[in-house]
Amino acid sequence: SQTIHQWPATLVQPVGSPLSLECTVEGTSNPNLYWYRQAAGRGLQLLFYSVGIGQISSEVPQNLSASRPQDRQFILSSKKLLLSDSGFYLCAWSVGLANEQYFGPGTRLTVT
Amino acid sequence: KQEVTQIPAALSVPEGENLVLNCSFTDSAIYNLQWFRQDPGKGLTSLLLIQSSQREQTSGRLNASLDKSSGRSTLYIAASQPGDSATYLCAGNNAGNMLTFGGGTRLMVKP
Repeated sequence: SQTIHQWPATLVQPVGSPLSLECTVEGTSNPNLYWYRQAAGRGLQLLFYSVGIGQISSEVPQNLSASRPQDRQFILSSKKLLLSDSGFYLCAWSVGLANEQYFGPGTRLTVT
Repeated sequence: KQEVTQIPAALSVPEGENLVLNCSFTDSAIYNLQWFRQDPGKGLTSLLLIQSSQREQTSGRLNASLDKSSGRSTLYIAASQPGDSATYLCAGNNAGNMLTFGGGTRLMVKP
């Protein structure tokens, strides 16, 4: 069966510090991978998606970037965090287009 | 641009009641519509996926319907239980890869 992992589970970082969140999927090959953010009062928003290694599409211009160094690994990064980057970050995967998306447990990021 | 709305934003019902959660979307050219459950501080659990060619899907006490022409989907929960208390989110998939989420309905089922 397929499993999706995210770490860390929670993170508190000062403004201006770097960020690296990791997501890995087990039990499937060549998944589509997604990063979403859930911010208070703003709902869930797609940030990035990837259909293959090194292929990243950005949906929202912002202070964040994403990378996919391996087939089942997706990383969300920032060089300098802003207060507005606080939120709940969720990674998801699917197989092919227009198919069911499955979400990870999320990372709660608080920027102070 | 797709917009998804969920009404009501919050709902409180006594245990055992049947209930309906509503989801409306502005762009009917969707590939599919997905319903999720989210417990406080947790990730999303996929409940049901309805493809654009389907009218409804059922899983246990849950039934989801899709009417593309009217831009509506409903999630029906039969014989509600306290364990059903959570936030329920619907999301439309228009571009194959991108889910547009509604704001969610926070459900409380009282024993």
